[in-house]
Amino acid sequence: DVVMTQSPLSLPVTLGQPASISCRSSQSLVYSDGNTYLSWFQQRPGQSPRRLIYKVSNRDSGVPDRFSGSGSGTDFTLKISRVEAEDVGVYFCMQATHWPPYTFGQGTKLEIK
Amino acid sequence: QVHLVQSGGGVVQPGRSLRLSCVASGYTFSINGMHWVRQAPGKGLEWVAAIWHDGSKRYYTDSVKGRFTISRDDSQNTLYLQMNGLRVEDTAVYYCARDPQHSFDVWGQGTVVTVSS
Repeated sequence: DVVMTQSPLSLPVTLGQPASISCRSSQSLVYSDGNTYLSWFQQRPGQSPRRLIYKVSNRDSGVPDRFSGSGSGTDFTLKISRVEAEDVGVYFCMQATHWPPYTFGQGTKLEIK
Repeated sequence: QVHLVQSGGGVVQPGRSLRLSCVASGYTFSINGMHWVRQAPGKGLEWVAAIWHDGSKRYYTDSVKGRFTISRDDSQNTLYLQMNGLRVEDTAVYYCARDPQHSFDVWGQGTVVTVSS
């Protein structure tokens, strides 16, 4: 199984400051079709997960442009350019290249300092 | 607008069964694969099961193989998860999710399953 490792697991951030979350996979996430199936999800307290980013860097409709995804191969990053209060929650990366099983990172809890 | 509305959770004793449902609306249900994902209390996300858009293939995480069955009824726009032989470690919030292509773009609201004696 592909292991997804996120860091940090806890991320205190001052409002208006940037934030960055790393996600590393135990093997390359490049699929046979040339795509890399790495997604990022946000889970606000008490809510279902919401997809933010798919295929490494494609932002979902309605997701603020302060969220961006980057990376390749085994190393990926989610960046928030300026953290807002509504960004509080847990962020997960997920790989859908080598399945089953689909695997998630442990989650990174973002809080406001 | 695309929605997935779940039902069927509850409290059951170990060894008993439950069936979860997930009703889709706002899109053509039959064109997408579907998944179940769970989240144990205070824990991360764990993929549980997947079913192809046409129901021809199904996949399970190892810990539920032989106990859980994923199915779909396209005439009712409904996804199911039949859970038999429930264990304490199956206690979690269960989410259904749509798979447009190698990702989970829409999630249900979640349903709580508690297995306890």
